[in-house]
Amino acid sequence: DVKVTQSSRYLVKRTGEKVFLECVQDMDHENMFWYRQDPGLGLRLIYFSYDVKMKEKGDIPEGYSVSREKKERFSLILESASTNQTSMYLCASTAGTGVNYGYTFGSGTRLTVV
Amino acid sequence: AQRVTQPEKLLSVFKGAPVELKCNYSYSGSPELFWYVQYSRQRLQLLLRHISRESIKGFTADLNKGETSFHLKKPFAQEEDSAMYYCALRGGSGGAQKLVFGQGTRLTINP
Repeated sequence: DVKVTQSSRYLVKRTGEKVFLECVQDMDHENMFWYRQDPGLGLRLIYFSYDVKMKEKGDIPEGYSVSREKKERFSLILESASTNQTSMYLCASTAGTGVNYGYTFGSGTRLTVV
Repeated sequence: AQRVTQPEKLLSVFKGAPVELKCNYSYSGSPELFWYVQYSRQRLQLLLRHISRESIKGFTADLNKGETSFHLKKPFAQEEDSAMYYCALRGGSGGAQKLVFGQGTRLTINP
């Protein structure tokens, strides 16, 4: 069973801090994604990566960056955290493209910026 | 551009009643559509996909290309169906195969 592990379940950070959210998957998946989940807005894609050192912007990349140095790890970086980045962050991975490849999600990191 | 719309943020029905969660999409190509579910304190998980034409936990969803809809249905709701439901669309090609989600519908089944 594929596991996607997000290192922290809850985080509280101060405005202006640099924040790292870590995600690790253990099934050699090619593609990894970062979403934020907000009530009434659903899940919105921040960044995704379909190979090591490759990254593409999603729908709301502003204020975020990512790093994928190893296939199993995909990090989301908030360069200077702001209160409007308070949210639930979900990481996901999938083995490939096509309809037979479902996404596997992590349990999420609830980030509060004060 | 890909867009998914779930018009109902909240839906409440009684146990045993039929359920329909609406989903409409906008996409110029041939879409792949999915329903994901998130039960309380659990991670988001795939419920079903349109290509499989399967029934999972009594739920079905039919892709209607004419109406650009992919509504989720269940004839008799159970209390354990209470959850957050997201409709999602995947389109594009190559590295752009990303999932776009709707706003979500919170389904509550009353006893």
